Amino acid sequence: NAGVTQTPKFQVLKTGQSMTLQCAQDMNHEYMSWYRQDPGMGLRLIHYSVGAGITDQGEVPNGYNVSRSTTEDFPLRLLSAAPSQTSVYFCASSSRPAGVDYGYTFGSGTRLTVV
Amino acid sequence: AQSVSQHNHHVILSEAASLELGCNYSYGGTVNLFWYVQYPGQHLQLLLKYFSGDPLVKGIKGFEAEFIKSKFSFNLRKPSVQWSDTAEYFCAAGSGNTGKLIFGQGTTLQVKP
Repeated sequence: NAGVTQTPKFQVLKTGQSMTLQCAQDMNHEYMSWYRQDPGMGLRLIHYSVGAGITDQGEVPNGYNVSRSTTEDFPLRLLSAAPSQTSVYFCASSSRPAGVDYGYTFGSGTRLTVV
Repeated sequence: AQSVSQHNHHVILSEAASLELGCNYSYGGTVNLFWYVQYPGQHLQLLLKYFSGDPLVKGIKGFEAEFIKSKFSFNLRKPSVQWSDTAEYFCAAGSGNTGKLIFGQGTTLQVKP
């Protein structure tokens, strides 16, 4: 089925470890974003991309890196995991900027725990 | 700085009651406004959106929202809620120029049967 695929669904990391959260979409969407969802904080934008090779920082970019080498993939890297990065991470994509046409299509999320 | 603020964090209603969830935004330039819903255990889905034109927009499942430019508000309404409306609701603001979409803190709606 077409959509946004995130892997893994669950992950436990030790403080200081690094890892990459994967995000892939098969809808040929130019615009992709990463969000983290925390209780009482809503969704906060980490990084976003307006096309292959173009990324920019969102509201909470510290501790995270992204790259966009292809239209389909937008991986999120945690450089040195910290307990404050325990969260649910959502990837989203759209065919128009900020989802101004049909809204964003969201992945099912990655639940990350840093111990 | 761009921001979206939702006033109600947790709302409890009985079935058939009317709903209004507040949303205010701060966003320079032309802004597009959205309401998303997240049902328990699911990911976000688009409820409705405002780009331009009629400030009263209708979405899925009987929801509507009114854009009031002078108040920087985009409140969500439903005349009669159902138990199945129990979910978390997010207001969001975005720009067609920057590609950024910013969300509010979310409102948890609990509808009692």
